[in-house]
Amino acid sequence: AQSVTQLDSQVPVFEEAPVELRCNYSSSVSVYLFWYVQYPNQGLQLLLKYLSGSTLVKGINGFEAEFNKSQTSFHLRKPSVHISDTAEYFCAVSDLGRDDKIIFGKGTRLHILP
Amino acid sequence: GAGVSQSPSNKVTEKGKDVELRCDPISGHTALYWYRQSLGQGLEFLIYFQGNSAPDKSGLPSDRFSAERTGGSVSTLTIQRTQQEDSAVYLCASSPPIGEQFFGPGTRLTVL
Repeated sequence: AQSVTQLDSQVPVFEEAPVELRCNYSSSVSVYLFWYVQYPNQGLQLLLKYLSGSTLVKGINGFEAEFNKSQTSFHLRKPSVHISDTAEYFCAVSDLGRDDKIIFGKGTRLHILP
Repeated sequence: GAGVSQSPSNKVTEKGKDVELRCDPISGHTALYWYRQSLGQGLEFLIYFQGNSAPDKSGLPSDRFSAERTGGSVSTLTIQRTQQEDSAVYLCASSPPIGEQFFGPGTRLTVL
C-alpha cells in the first residue's frame, strides 16, 4: 500500500531564510501529489498540486515543489519565509490505478524564528 | 458553488451517548473521506468512500464508529457510546475523480 513519509515533524527557520520541507512516498507507477497547509486554528487548504506536466509546481504564497520520480520525492520549498508561514504542512499522495485514495503524511510543523 | 459543509460545527456530549456528524460534499465529487484530528496532531484517516465501491473502513478505531454515504452524496459518521478519547475535530473532505480534496470546516466534538 502507498505510504507517505514526512521526515521532519518540526522545522525551525529564521525569518527571511529559505526552507525545504521533505516528503517521500513509496514507489508507484503513477501518482498525484499535493501539499496542504493548516494555519493555527484554521482548516486545511491546498498549497499546490502535481497532476501531470512540469515537475516543478508553483503554489500560493511563494511556495513551490518539485516532483522527482526517481527519488519518489515531492519536497516543498520557499526561498524566503515570513512569520505568517507558521503552520502545519501536510504532504499527500494519490496512487493512481489502485483505489485512487489520497494518503496523508503526518505533517511538518514550521516554526518561524524572529 | 458551495464548498464542503459539516454540521454541527460544535458538539458537546456526555460520555456514553451516541453522536451523528454530517457531511455534505461538493456536488459531483465521487470520493468522500472522514478524518479525525486531535489537538496539535496530524490527520487520522477514518473511512473513504469512492463512487459505488465498498468503503475503505480500515481507519475506523473501533466498532463504535461507523459511517454511511447515502445516494453517493451526504455522509453521516456515527459514534456510539462516546468516550472522552473520542474528543477531537472530525474533518470531512471530498474530491472529484481527478484532483485534490476539498475540506470542510470540521465538527469539534467534546465528550464530557
